[in-house]
Amino acid sequence: AQSVTQLGSHVSVSEGALVLLRCNYSSSVPPYLFWYVQYPNQGLQLLLKYTTGATLVKGINGFEAEFKKSETSFHLTKPSAHMSDAAEYFCAVSDGTSYDKVIFGPGTSLSVIP
Amino acid sequence: GAVVSQHPSWVICKSGTSVKIECRSLDFQATTMFWYRQFPKQSLMLMATSNEGSKATYEQGVEKDKFLINHASLTLSTLTVTSAHPEDSSFYICSAEVVAPGYGYTFGSGTRLTVV
Repeated sequence: AQSVTQLGSHVSVSEGALVLLRCNYSSSVPPYLFWYVQYPNQGLQLLLKYTTGATLVKGINGFEAEFKKSETSFHLTKPSAHMSDAAEYFCAVSDGTSYDKVIFGPGTSLSVIP
Repeated sequence: GAVVSQHPSWVICKSGTSVKIECRSLDFQATTMFWYRQFPKQSLMLMATSNEGSKATYEQGVEKDKFLINHASLTLSTLTVTSAHPEDSSFYICSAEVVAPGYGYTFGSGTRLTVV
C-alpha cells in the first residue's frame, strides 16, 4: 500500500525566504508524485508532478521539487516566498496506473510573514 | 483546458434530507472520477472511484447506501448524500484524470455541505 507523510503540519517563513516543504512516500512500485496547493474553501490546484524522466521537476508559481528515490522523498521548494504562497500544500502519490487512486499526505499549512 | 466544474459550491440542508453534488468535465471525457471528503484542517480522504457506466468502487468504511454515486455519462458524475446528518457536514471534492501530455489529475472547486 502506498502512503505519504509530510513533516510539519505548519511551516512559517518570512517573505523572501526559502520555502521547503517536506514529503516522503512509500510505494512498492515506481510512483507518480504530485504537489497540490489549496486555498481556503477551494479545490486543489496542481503545482507540479513527477512521472518519469528528470528528477527535478519545475512547476507553477516558481515551485520545484526533486524526486530522490534513495530517500523516498519529494520535497517542495521555492527560493523566495511571496505572501500569496500562504496556503495548504498536499503531497500525493499514485502507483502510476491510469485511473489509479491518488493518496494524499496530511498537508502542510504554509504561513508567510511580512 | 481540462476543467472539472463542481456544483453547488456550498449547500445547507436539514437533517434527513438528501443533497446531490455534480461534477462535470467541461472539455474532456472522464471515464473515471474520484470523490474525496475533507474535514476541517485535514487532508483529503478518498471516498470512492466512479466509473462511467458501471458501479462505483467505495473505500473501506464508506457507506454505499449513504453516498450514492452515479456516473451515467463520460462528462458527469454525481454524489448524493442521502438522509444527511450533521456529521456528514464536510467539504466534498471530485477529481478526474486527464489522459493527455502535461496533465494529471484535475480537481473540482469543492462543495461545502452543512447539515443543520
